Amino acid sequence: AQTVTQSQPEMSVQEAETVTLSCTYDTSESDYYLFWYKQPPSRQMILVIRQEAYKQQNATENRFSVNFQKAAKSFSLKISDSQLGDAAMYFCAYRSLGGSQGNLIFGKGTKLSVKP
Amino acid sequence: DTGVSQNPRHKITKRGQNVTFRCDPISEHNRLYWYRQTLGQGPEFLTYFQNEAQLEKSRLLSDRFSAERPKGSFSTLEIQRTEQGDSAMYLCASSSNGANYGYTFGSGTRLTVV
Repeated sequence: AQTVTQSQPEMSVQEAETVTLSCTYDTSESDYYLFWYKQPPSRQMILVIRQEAYKQQNATENRFSVNFQKAAKSFSLKISDSQLGDAAMYFCAYRSLGGSQGNLIFGKGTKLSVKP
Repeated sequence: DTGVSQNPRHKITKRGQNVTFRCDPISEHNRLYWYRQTLGQGPEFLTYFQNEAQLEKSRLLSDRFSAERPKGSFSTLEIQRTEQGDSAMYLCASSSNGANYGYTFGSGTRLTVV
């Protein structure tokens, strides 16, 4: 079974600085998708960025980028020029292309605080 | 389309009572998912539908839980004989076909069993 591990329960960053959130996963599959979701205090999960495992190029969405290391099974999220609105829980998630396509597997999350 | 809608936002119930939650997905999304999230944890998968067919159920979904999606539109999640351990946020999400699509989540229903 696949697992997702986020080893940083909490992180803090100064406004306008850069922060990196870590995520590792375990799978025997070769094709899959990885996601980062943001959950602000209002509790609605928002998709931040996605990465297809077959793509070597790291995904980028404005101030958000990932460092995808397939061999190391690592998928970190970098937030540049941090803003107060980035404060939230961030969840890393894995989705299989195989049998369990309905099951998005989440890590336990990292709580990001942004200091003004 | 205003996104995924869940009702009610909050529900307090006494142990042993039955509760039902509703989810209205984005209209063009044919897949609908239910997740449960407890404090300090990531969401855990419960079940998902493709159109009206329930294609997968987690082992977390005990026989006290049942979900339906009549006509492939809205979905309901019912919990019978609620227990204190059922207290959690219940999240609904929808997506189009294709694993590359991220899910669109609703705001959730917070259940408190007293």
